[in-house]
Amino acid sequence: GAGVSQSPSNKVTEKGKDVELRCDPISGHTALYWYRQSLGQGLEFLIYFQGNSAPDKSGLPSDRFSAERTGGSVSTLTIQRTQQEDSAVYLCASSSMNLGGQETQYFGPGTRLLVL
Amino acid sequence: ILNVEQSPQSLHVQEGDSTNFTCSFPSSNFYALHWYRWETAKSPEALFVMTLNGDEKKKGQISATLNTKEGYSYLYIKGSQPEDSATYLCASTHGGYNKLIFGAGTRLAVHP
Repeated sequence: GAGVSQSPSNKVTEKGKDVELRCDPISGHTALYWYRQSLGQGLEFLIYFQGNSAPDKSGLPSDRFSAERTGGSVSTLTIQRTQQEDSAVYLCASSSMNLGGQETQYFGPGTRLLVL
Repeated sequence: ILNVEQSPQSLHVQEGDSTNFTCSFPSSNFYALHWYRWETAKSPEALFVMTLNGDEKKKGQISATLNTKEGYSYLYIKGSQPEDSATYLCASTHGGYNKLIFGAGTRLAVHP
């Protein structure tokens, strides 16, 4: 079946502009995650949605970052007033169950964001 | 702050060589250890999820072991092929929280 898809695959923007990144999880998956990998860094957690529960936003680096998940499916990560340090690969993942960290997370191909 | 470390940072081997990488993770409130393989311009691919001390998992020529008491996992590739070239990521979860804490990865290049 179809995997996790993300759009756009690449995004170049100017400092100070807002960007929106989209994630379509695997159909039926209740959990959705956002991570990012900055240059030379490991993947870092940003935000986690599970069903109708309040999202875990503990990884969002600043209040310029926000995310929503509409209808329990598609998610949008928004970065306002982008800065050069926001340049990174943004990855989305989804999983079918909540096993407290033991479930496999299935990743999309990522959006490569470059802020000039 | 929970920190996951991987070594080596990069590795170059010849086709047919066997190789292994190390992942060190905090043992406190440990729940699971995940291994992923990430090829350039593709999605990270899940290899293994391990939870119990002494776990061993195998997928083709790739295998992994887990020591939760000392906080490390090894990934082994037997008879590397050029198509095994990728970055291998490990990540741990703790305290029942779902967020993966990733290491920086080991970049493997297998030369024909």
